Amino acid sequence: ETGVTQSPTHLIKTRGQQVTLRCSSQSGHNTVSWYQQALGQGPQFIFQYYREEENGRGNFPPRFSGLQFPNYSSELNVNALELDDSALYLCASSLAGGRGNEQFFGPGTRLTVL
Amino acid sequence: AQRVTQPEKLLSVFKGAPVELKCNYSYSGSPELFWYVQYSRQRLQLLLRHISRESIKGFTADLNKGETSFHLKKPFAQEEDSAMYYCASPNYGGATNKLIFGTGTLLAVQP
Repeated sequence: ETGVTQSPTHLIKTRGQQVTLRCSSQSGHNTVSWYQQALGQGPQFIFQYYREEENGRGNFPPRFSGLQFPNYSSELNVNALELDDSALYLCASSLAGGRGNEQFFGPGTRLTVL
Repeated sequence: AQRVTQPEKLLSVFKGAPVELKCNYSYSGSPELFWYVQYSRQRLQLLLRHISRESIKGFTADLNKGETSFHLKKPFAQEEDSAMYYCASPNYGGATNKLIFGTGTLLAVQP
């Protein structure tokens, strides 16, 4: 069984730039959720994808967008980066209708915006 | 809005001492609650879920609906328990099974 993987591990960008983060879900999982974890905080839900469609969104502006591909992998795109976007971005995969709401997390991508 | 509250940012105990990490939730029904753990340089991972009523690595957590709490307990702390602990609950009433996390408690077990 392959766990959730994310790339890149670290990323440094400047204000106004755009970034794309990638996630491969755990084998057999069809749902991907993205979370933002700022320093000293718990993960905050950004959005979720199921069957290539956005399936719920947290309190994040439209410049945060995503995609899910037929193999259930996913991308998180952030446009017009701001300093406050600096955080650890976590991807979690799960199986819709599986064991309740259990989600499996990737190692995260550390984004620094200068 | 639904909330999960972890009042302590840091809990420091000595090896062998009992541990209780506090978690309170705001949902009025019967929630499904989780404890996630993040060891140094490792990914966030599920420690236990209340519906399983299991003990993992000596940790247990009981749902107290009267106090809307789901505290994590261990009778004798070990140094390897040092980690960041997050309490989490699914978001009820929405279309998404997103998780709502508390702000986390850093458990430091001193030798």
